[in-house]
Amino acid sequence: DGGITQSPKYLFRKEGQNVTLSCEQNLNHDAMYWYRQDPGQGLRLIYYSQIVNDFQKGDIAEGYSVSREKKESFPLTVTSAQKNPTAFYLCASNSGAFNQPQHFGDGTRLSIL
Amino acid sequence: RKEVEQDPGPFNVPEGATVAFNCTYSNSASQSFFWYRQDCRKEPKLLMSVYSSGNEDGRFTAQLNRASQYISLLIRDSKLSDSATYLCVVNSGPHSGAGSYQLTFGKGTKLSVIP
Repeated sequence: DGGITQSPKYLFRKEGQNVTLSCEQNLNHDAMYWYRQDPGQGLRLIYYSQIVNDFQKGDIAEGYSVSREKKESFPLTVTSAQKNPTAFYLCASNSGAFNQPQHFGDGTRLSIL
Repeated sequence: RKEVEQDPGPFNVPEGATVAFNCTYSNSASQSFFWYRQDCRKEPKLLMSVYSSGNEDGRFTAQLNRASQYISLLIRDSKLSDSATYLCVVNSGPHSGAGSYQLTFGKGTKLSVIP
């Protein structure tokens, strides 16, 4: 079945540690996105990529980094510079056309130890 | 003014009721519109796209009013399984530069359908 796979489902980070969240899609989508959701808040865009080897900052990119070496994969690193990383992280993808909806993976919950 | 604004609810309705959600957006250049559904602690899932002429999918009807920058979702004959948070989502379209492929999400309206 085609879809978006995020791993791990739950992740715990120690102070000063970088952690990487995985996102893989087999939908042959060009565009991929990372969002953060805090309780009672809307989704906020961290980074997005419209094509392999290219990505753009979203609204809240500070403290995060990404790479897009393969079409299928768009990993997100939460660095130690992100002082409030506890949140629900969602990866999404679509064809890249503006009128196409985005489809989401089932998310990663990140907490601080 | 917030980019996409929704009544947070919660809306508590009995089974079988009709319920309507409203959403306003601030960017008049917005080109595409969607309703997503998000269950507690789960990812958002596409419920339906919203077309200019309005569209219906079973018990769900979506409408768009570009002049008023307003989107609505109507749910008829509510089921217990409709309980979720409904997210209004807007895309700014292809001519707005670097942000052209971004979606803006409302904070959602929570619906609880009561037996």
